[in-house]
Amino acid sequence: KNEVEQSPQNLTAQEGEFITINCSYSVGISALHWLQQHPGGGIVSLFMLSSGKKKHGRLIATINIQEKHSSLHITASHPRDSAVYICAVSRGNQFYFGTGTSLTVIP
Amino acid sequence: DTGVSQNPRHKITKRGQNVTFRCDPISEHNRLYWYRQTLGQGPEFLTYFQNEAQLEKSRLLSDRFSAERPKGSFSTLEIQRTEQGDSAMYLCASTPTGSGEKLFFGSGTQLSVL
Repeated sequence: KNEVEQSPQNLTAQEGEFITINCSYSVGISALHWLQQHPGGGIVSLFMLSSGKKKHGRLIATINIQEKHSSLHITASHPRDSAVYICAVSRGNQFYFGTGTSLTVIP
Repeated sequence: DTGVSQNPRHKITKRGQNVTFRCDPISEHNRLYWYRQTLGQGPEFLTYFQNEAQLEKSRLLSDRFSAERPKGSFSTLEIQRTEQGDSAMYLCASTPTGSGEKLFFGSGTQLSVL
């Protein structure tokens, strides 16, 4: 069983919709990371959080430490948000990655 | 700060050949990671360095794989006697200290073994 599980695996949304991607983890962590990967591109860190909630533009990330669960929300989604979103956790010197959620936003 | 740089971006090779990839981390980042990623999967850990010391290697890393970071700056990943199963994106990432820090990724090297 993977230390980090994401859902859904694939997501298609209409432009403007509110999107939620979920992440559950099974190990103690020092921080949780949300990453974005565009096709053929590298991976960009969106958020790193260890408690509560963070917001950046239309993106919001929340974490519930007790439930070992995090969500990434995208408000007013746009086609340029189409990418793979990866949840990762850091534990000691190591990072553990989910398999990613492939998001497609249709105009 | 020019970010993490990886070369080459793409590599096509024939089975049995050796290949070497290079990663230049963000300067003063003392921790460097190598990952492998295949389609539809998250990054899979290969190895990491603290400065020039290789501190951990994945059990999945066969003896055909070797990595170095001779002066604690750039790193190389070599695959000897490549196999078709080695075809993947090889990602390098760096971080200032490791635990609780953001990972900064390079754009990756896409390896295709024919």
